Amino acid sequence: DQQVKQNSPSLSVQEGRISILNCDYTNSMFDYFLWYKKYPAEGPTFLISISSIKDKNEDGRFTVFLNKSAKHLSLHIVPSQPGDSAVYFCAASAGNTDKLIFGTGTRLQVFP
Amino acid sequence: DAGITQSPRYKITETGRQVTLMCHQTWSHSYMFWYRQDLGHGLRLIYYSAAADITDKGEVPDGYVVSRSKTENFPLTLESATRSQTSVYFCASRAGPETQYFGPGTRLLVL
Repeated sequence: DQQVKQNSPSLSVQEGRISILNCDYTNSMFDYFLWYKKYPAEGPTFLISISSIKDKNEDGRFTVFLNKSAKHLSLHIVPSQPGDSAVYFCAASAGNTDKLIFGTGTRLQVFP
Repeated sequence: DAGITQSPRYKITETGRQVTLMCHQTWSHSYMFWYRQDLGHGLRLIYYSAAADITDKGEVPDGYVVSRSKTENFPLTLESATRSQTSVYFCASRAGPETQYFGPGTRLLVL
Protein backbone atom coordinates (compact mmCIF):
# COMPACT_ATOMS: atom_id res chain seq x y z
CA ASP A 1 0.00 0.00 0.00
CA GLN A 2 1.73 3.12 -1.27
CA GLN A 3 0.93 5.94 1.14
CA VAL A 4 2.82 8.53 -0.91
CA LYS A 5 2.35 8.43 -4.66
CA GLN A 6 4.09 10.17 -7.49
CA ASN A 7 2.10 9.11 -10.51
CA SER A 8 4.33 10.67 -13.14
CA PRO A 9 7.57 8.70 -13.50
CA SER A 10 9.04 11.35 -15.75
CA LEU A 11 8.59 14.94 -16.89
CA SER A 12 10.30 16.87 -19.64
CA VAL A 13 10.35 20.69 -19.61
CA GLN A 14 12.02 23.33 -21.67
CA GLU A 15 14.58 25.58 -19.98
CA GLY A 16 12.99 28.75 -18.63
CA ARG A 17 9.52 27.24 -18.34
CA ILE A 18 7.76 26.06 -15.20
CA SER A 19 8.18 22.50 -13.93
CA ILE A 20 5.34 21.13 -11.82
CA LEU A 21 5.88 17.88 -9.96
CA ASN A 22 2.94 16.28 -8.20
CA CYS A 23 2.53 14.08 -5.18
CA ASP A 24 -0.54 12.50 -3.59
CA TYR A 25 -0.84 10.91 -0.17
CA THR A 26 -3.43 8.77 1.54
CA ASN A 27 -2.60 9.01 5.24
CA SER A 28 -4.46 11.92 6.85
CA MET A 29 -2.05 11.78 9.80
CA PHE A 30 0.80 13.13 7.69
CA ASP A 31 1.62 16.63 8.87
CA TYR A 32 5.01 17.39 7.35
CA PHE A 33 6.05 17.07 3.74
CA LEU A 34 9.42 17.31 2.06
CA TRP A 35 10.92 17.26 -1.40
CA TYR A 36 14.31 15.74 -2.09
CA LYS A 37 16.36 15.95 -5.25
CA LYS A 38 18.65 13.16 -6.40
CA TYR A 39 21.37 13.22 -9.02
CA PRO A 40 22.77 9.94 -10.43
CA ALA A 41 25.35 8.23 -8.21
CA GLU A 42 24.62 10.62 -5.34
CA GLY A 43 22.40 10.51 -2.29
CA PRO A 44 19.16 12.50 -2.15
CA THR A 45 19.49 16.08 -0.96
CA PHE A 46 16.84 18.04 0.89
CA LEU A 47 15.18 20.70 -1.24
CA ILE A 48 12.16 22.22 0.50
CA SER A 49 9.52 21.30 3.06
CA ILE A 50 6.10 22.36 4.25
CA SER A 51 4.12 21.88 7.42
CA SER A 52 0.45 21.02 7.29
CA ILE A 53 -0.39 24.33 8.94
CA LYS A 54 0.69 26.11 5.75
CA ASP A 55 -0.50 25.84 2.19
CA LYS A 56 2.57 27.32 0.52
CA ASN A 57 6.29 27.57 1.11
CA GLU A 58 8.71 29.34 -1.16
CA ASP A 59 12.49 29.21 -1.46
CA GLY A 60 13.96 30.99 -4.43
CA ARG A 61 12.88 29.25 -7.61
CA PHE A 62 11.17 26.46 -5.66
CA THR A 63 7.66 26.62 -4.24
CA VAL A 64 5.73 23.82 -2.62
CA PHE A 65 1.93 23.94 -2.45
CA LEU A 66 -0.14 21.80 -0.12
CA ASN A 67 -3.84 21.05 -0.58
CA LYS A 68 -4.86 19.13 2.52
CA SER A 69 -8.43 18.51 1.48
CA ALA A 70 -7.22 16.85 -1.72
CA LYS A 71 -4.24 15.22 0.00
CA HIS A 72 -2.06 16.64 -2.72
CA LEU A 73 1.14 18.60 -2.87
CA SER A 74 3.10 19.97 -5.74
CA LEU A 75 6.55 21.38 -6.35
CA HIS A 76 6.91 24.29 -8.77
CA ILE A 77 10.26 25.20 -10.22
CA VAL A 78 10.36 28.56 -11.98
CA PRO A 79 12.28 29.11 -14.16
CA SER A 80 13.53 25.60 -14.84
CA GLN A 81 17.24 25.19 -15.52
CA PRO A 82 19.20 22.29 -17.02
CA GLY A 83 20.86 21.76 -13.63
CA ASP A 84 17.44 20.93 -12.22
CA SER A 85 17.44 17.69 -14.21
CA ALA A 86 17.28 15.01 -11.51
CA VAL A 87 14.92 12.62 -9.78
CA TYR A 88 12.61 14.32 -7.30
CA PHE A 89 11.19 12.44 -4.33
CA CYS A 90 8.24 13.54 -2.28
CA ALA A 91 8.24 12.42 1.37
CA ALA A 92 5.84 12.70 4.29
CA SER A 93 5.84 12.11 8.01
CA ALA A 94 3.32 12.01 10.81
CA GLY A 95 4.14 13.93 13.96
CA ASN A 96 3.98 10.88 16.17
CA THR A 97 6.54 8.87 14.20
CA ASP A 98 10.25 9.15 13.48
CA LYS A 99 10.00 7.95 9.90
CA LEU A 100 9.67 9.46 6.45
CA ILE A 101 7.59 7.74 3.80
CA PHE A 102 8.88 8.39 0.30
CA GLY A 103 7.17 8.35 -3.05
CA THR A 104 8.56 6.52 -6.04
CA GLY A 105 10.13 9.60 -7.59
CA THR A 106 9.71 11.67 -10.75
CA ARG A 107 12.57 12.09 -13.20
CA LEU A 108 12.71 15.68 -14.43
CA GLN A 109 14.57 16.53 -17.58
CA VAL A 110 15.08 20.18 -18.47
CA PHE A 111 16.19 20.64 -22.06
CA PRO A 112 17.62 23.81 -23.68
CA ASP B 1 35.51 15.25 6.19
CA ALA B 2 32.33 16.40 7.81
CA GLY B 3 29.10 14.73 6.78
CA ILE B 4 27.92 11.23 6.20
CA THR B 5 29.95 8.57 4.42
CA GLN B 6 29.21 5.06 3.25
CA SER B 7 31.53 2.21 2.41
CA PRO B 8 32.00 0.42 0.19
CA ARG B 9 30.51 2.42 -2.65
CA TYR B 10 30.19 -0.69 -4.82
CA LYS B 11 30.00 -4.33 -3.81
CA ILE B 12 29.53 -7.56 -5.69
CA THR B 13 28.80 -10.66 -3.66
CA GLU B 14 27.31 -14.09 -4.06
CA THR B 15 24.07 -15.53 -2.81
CA GLY B 16 24.37 -16.78 0.76
CA ARG B 17 27.33 -14.64 1.75
CA GLN B 18 27.26 -12.19 4.63
CA VAL B 19 27.77 -8.55 3.67
CA THR B 20 28.15 -5.49 5.89
CA LEU B 21 27.58 -1.98 4.64
CA MET B 22 29.10 0.77 6.71
CA CYS B 23 27.74 4.20 7.52
CA HIS B 24 29.53 6.93 9.44
CA GLN B 25 28.39 10.45 10.31
CA THR B 26 30.39 13.25 11.89
CA TRP B 27 27.53 15.46 13.07
CA SER B 28 26.57 13.45 16.19
CA HIS B 29 22.99 13.25 14.96
CA SER B 30 20.83 11.06 17.17
CA TYR B 31 18.80 9.49 14.41
CA MET B 32 20.18 7.32 11.63
CA PHE B 33 18.37 5.44 8.89
CA TRP B 34 18.96 2.80 6.24
CA TYR B 35 17.00 2.83 2.98
CA ARG B 36 17.08 0.84 -0.19
CA GLN B 37 16.20 2.33 -3.55
CA ASP B 38 14.63 0.15 -6.21
CA LEU B 39 12.99 1.04 -9.49
CA GLY B 40 9.26 1.45 -9.02
CA HIS B 41 9.53 1.55 -5.24
CA GLY B 42 11.38 4.73 -4.48
CA LEU B 43 13.15 4.79 -1.14
CA ARG B 44 12.05 2.21 1.40
CA LEU B 45 13.11 2.26 5.03
CA ILE B 46 14.90 -0.86 6.23
CA TYR B 47 15.89 0.02 9.79
CA TYR B 48 16.41 3.13 11.83
CA SER B 49 17.98 4.10 15.12
CA ALA B 50 16.98 6.85 17.52
CA ALA B 51 20.23 6.70 19.51
CA ALA B 52 23.08 4.37 20.34
CA ASP B 53 21.79 0.91 21.25
CA ILE B 54 18.23 1.76 20.10
CA THR B 55 17.10 0.36 16.76
CA ASP B 56 13.74 -0.31 15.15
CA LYS B 57 12.36 -1.91 12.02
CA GLY B 58 11.20 -0.02 8.98
CA GLU B 59 9.10 -1.16 6.03
CA VAL B 60 11.40 -3.90 4.70
CA PRO B 61 13.60 -5.29 7.51
CA ASP B 62 13.60 -8.99 6.62
CA GLY B 63 17.06 -10.35 5.86
CA TYR B 64 18.87 -7.39 7.43
CA VAL B 65 20.48 -6.78 10.80
CA VAL B 66 21.69 -3.49 12.26
CA SER B 67 23.61 -2.39 15.30
CA ARG B 68 24.50 0.96 16.79
CA SER B 69 27.14 0.71 19.49
CA LYS B 70 28.40 4.25 18.78
CA THR B 71 26.38 7.32 17.82
CA GLU B 72 28.42 7.95 14.68
CA ASN B 73 28.25 4.47 13.15
CA PHE B 74 25.28 2.48 11.88
CA PRO B 75 26.32 -0.67 10.00
CA LEU B 76 23.81 -2.72 8.01
CA THR B 77 24.43 -6.46 7.65
CA LEU B 78 22.87 -8.83 5.15
CA GLU B 79 23.22 -12.11 6.99
CA SER B 80 22.75 -14.32 3.94
CA ALA B 81 22.51 -12.26 0.79
CA THR B 82 19.81 -13.01 -1.76
CA ARG B 83 19.39 -11.74 -5.32
CA SER B 84 16.36 -9.73 -4.24
CA GLN B 85 18.71 -7.67 -2.07
CA THR B 86 20.46 -6.30 -5.14
CA SER B 87 19.80 -2.61 -4.74
CA VAL B 88 21.25 0.79 -3.95
CA TYR B 89 21.48 1.37 -0.21
CA PHE B 90 21.42 4.79 1.37
CA CYS B 91 22.24 5.75 4.91
CA ALA B 92 20.86 8.97 6.37
CA SER B 93 21.00 10.92 9.60
CA ARG B 94 18.65 13.50 10.97
CA ALA B 95 19.35 16.96 12.24
CA GLY B 96 16.05 18.79 12.70
CA PRO B 97 12.65 17.26 13.35
CA GLU B 98 12.28 15.76 9.89
CA THR B 99 15.05 16.79 7.49
CA GLN B 100 17.36 13.90 6.74
CA TYR B 101 20.83 14.05 5.23
CA PHE B 102 21.83 11.18 3.01
CA GLY B 103 25.11 9.49 2.26
CA PRO B 104 26.28 8.85 -1.32
CA GLY B 105 24.93 5.29 -1.41
CA THR B 106 26.28 1.77 -1.81
CA ARG B 107 25.44 -0.12 -4.97
CA LEU B 108 25.15 -3.82 -4.13
CA LEU B 109 24.93 -6.63 -6.66
CA VAL B 110 24.14 -10.13 -5.43
CA LEU B 111 24.93 -12.84 -7.96
